[in-house]
Amino acid sequence: QSALTQPASVSGSPGQSITISCTGTSSDVGGYNYVSWYQQHPGKAPKLMIYDVSKRPSGVSNRFSGSKSGNTASLTISGLQAEDEADYYCSSYTSSSTVVFGGGTKLTVL
Amino acid sequence: QVQLQESGPGLVKPSQTLSLTCTVSGGSISSGGYYWSWIRQHPGKGLEWIGYIYYSGSTYYNPSLKSRVTISVDTSKNQFSLKLSSVTAADTAVYYCARREDGELHFDYWGQGTLVTVSS
Repeated sequence: QSALTQPASVSGSPGQSITISCTGTSSDVGGYNYVSWYQQHPGKAPKLMIYDVSKRPSGVSNRFSGSKSGNTASLTISGLQAEDEADYYCSSYTSSSTVVFGGGTKLTVL
Repeated sequence: QVQLQESGPGLVKPSQTLSLTCTVSGGSISSGGYYWSWIRQHPGKGLEWIGYIYYSGSTYYNPSLKSRVTISVDTSKNQFSLKLSSVTAADTAVYYCARREDGELHFDYWGQGTLVTVSS
């Protein structure tokens, strides 16, 4: 299984909005509404931010939102804050009953 | 509050078997309802799903690792384990254990991760 495709890096200024894309195939992202997004700060474990494409776990800021169109899912962070600077990973269920992650995107808050 | 904690050797020699254990607290594996997972992260790289196990013993593995991976569960100790055979330097990574709820396809609780280095 091939990793999902994410941009290596994105950046934005405080208060702005950014979007991170996650591209897969019809066998993963496009075939299921089981895309999740994780935030990882340096030296820390990943933290679930979005699941089932657009649902937010309890405690996650509503500045984080998710969507999907075809084989591409997206994570949008609005009102960027310094604490949002981290690596972000998408993940999807696949037609082989496995899980595949994206390569990760480093978010820099300017 | 569920907590997961990885444990095991931080250094493994090439060709040997990497063995890690994840101890679950705040919930019982034998209660069912969850898949218990292993995920790794090569230094400076992205996440890679290794596999998961249901409390009943059903397992699902990453096809790229399947021939070398065994995940098992010990409900009496509330632990699950990872064995990865014939390791090489390419298996050097931080290994995380994580929980996935049955019927859901995301990982909601993660361990802190443990670095395993493969070197002679």
